[in-house]
Amino acid sequence: EAGVAQSPRYKIIEKRQSVAFWCNPISGHATLYWYQQILGQGPKLLIQFQNNGVVDDSQLPKDRFSAERLKGVDSTLKIQPAKLEDSAVYLCASSPGTDAFFGQGTRLTVV
Amino acid sequence: AQTVTQSQPEMSVQEAETVTLSCTYDTSENNYYLFWYKQPPSRQMILVIRQEAYKQQNATENRFSVNFQKAAKSFSLKISDSQLGDTAMYFCAFGAQKLVFGQGTRLTINP
Repeated sequence: EAGVAQSPRYKIIEKRQSVAFWCNPISGHATLYWYQQILGQGPKLLIQFQNNGVVDDSQLPKDRFSAERLKGVDSTLKIQPAKLEDSAVYLCASSPGTDAFFGQGTRLTVV
Repeated sequence: AQTVTQSQPEMSVQEAETVTLSCTYDTSENNYYLFWYKQPPSRQMILVIRQEAYKQQNATENRFSVNFQKAAKSFSLKISDSQLGDTAMYFCAFGAQKLVFGQGTRLTINP
């Protein structure tokens, strides 16, 4: 069974530029999460989708971050404009109900 | 709001020893799950073990077991016969409507 796919693995951008991350969840998983993990910290939930609807986006900085899940499958997370403090690993996870399965993450460096 | 606290930022033991990682959580939910995830340097979060809150019996997975104390809101992970490959960050997580992580414990197994 294929796992959660994320791309790119690494991204370096200058502040004020925009960036997008892509996630392809495990087939059939209704729930999709995006987490931000700053170095040395635990993952922080940014947004949770159930199929193509948003369940929780209370910690998503909506002035600069946006996310969508087209047709309840793939998802993209966008940052525009990026700030230095957005440097982190962005993790995508999917779940069929209970257990969440993670991708390898995208390491973003904002310079 | 749910919170998860891991009070041990770092731990180090010798190979083959037993080690216990601590986790406490706070919630008003009655039905939930608790998880331990492992994150090696490759960054991918790997599910180690899951405990259903409605079950009194502690979960076990080979060398990994938990001590779940629901009244005390405590959920510790015991690793028996530790191996070099167990070296990683370990995160405790609480799952109800969403999945919330603690700050992590860096575990080092020394040869």
